Amino acid sequence: AQSVAQPEDQVNVAEGNPLTVKCTYSVSGNPYLFWYVQYPNRGLQFLLKYITGDNLVKGSYGFEAEFNKSQTSFHLKKPSALVSDSALYFCAVRDGYSGGGADGLTFGKGTHLIIQP
Amino acid sequence: SQTIHQWPATLVQPVGSPLSLECTVEGTSNPNLYWYRQAAGRGLQLLFYSVGIGQISSEVPQNLSASRPQDRQFILSSKKLLLSDSGFYLCAWSGWELRGETQYFGPGTRLLVL
Repeated sequence: AQSVAQPEDQVNVAEGNPLTVKCTYSVSGNPYLFWYVQYPNRGLQFLLKYITGDNLVKGSYGFEAEFNKSQTSFHLKKPSALVSDSALYFCAVRDGYSGGGADGLTFGKGTHLIIQP
Repeated sequence: SQTIHQWPATLVQPVGSPLSLECTVEGTSNPNLYWYRQAAGRGLQLLFYSVGIGQISSEVPQNLSASRPQDRQFILSSKKLLLSDSGFYLCAWSGWELRGETQYFGPGTRLLVL
């Protein structure tokens, strides 16, 4: 079974400061890792994903995430936060051991990111 | 480009009434389709997924069912709604990529069962 943990329900950051949203995962095979953002009463928007290759993945809106295999982590980062980054962020994982397929994603519970002006 | 639609956007239904939520995808063929439920603004739970017409896999046994009558149409149904069916229902699609197919989500349907 696969699982995702987002240990912080809420992260508060001052505008202009760097931000980190934490995510750890557990899968039996190779992890396919994703970050999504959700604004109030909206669907999820894809930010970035890690499949293989460089451990630092760059995505939309200036976000990036670092894959750390030894720590089984995939933390989301941004060098300088904007007030408009305030939203609910989800980390998700799928076991890539079986290769391609339609398996659903396993999501964390989400982290509210609040950027203070 | 691909787009995904869901309707209705909001729905208020009495307990015991039937349900039909619809999801359609444009701009792609033979997508994988998914239904998720999000309760209380947190945590998504996979309900159903489909790899083709008439092919439905259920992840969680419950009061709901899904059907895929056309390639790009995915329907979530219930014969009798329960209070616990309230939530935010999200449809998603993924295409065929080399690995790690990305799922793209629709705008969602907010269901309130009273």
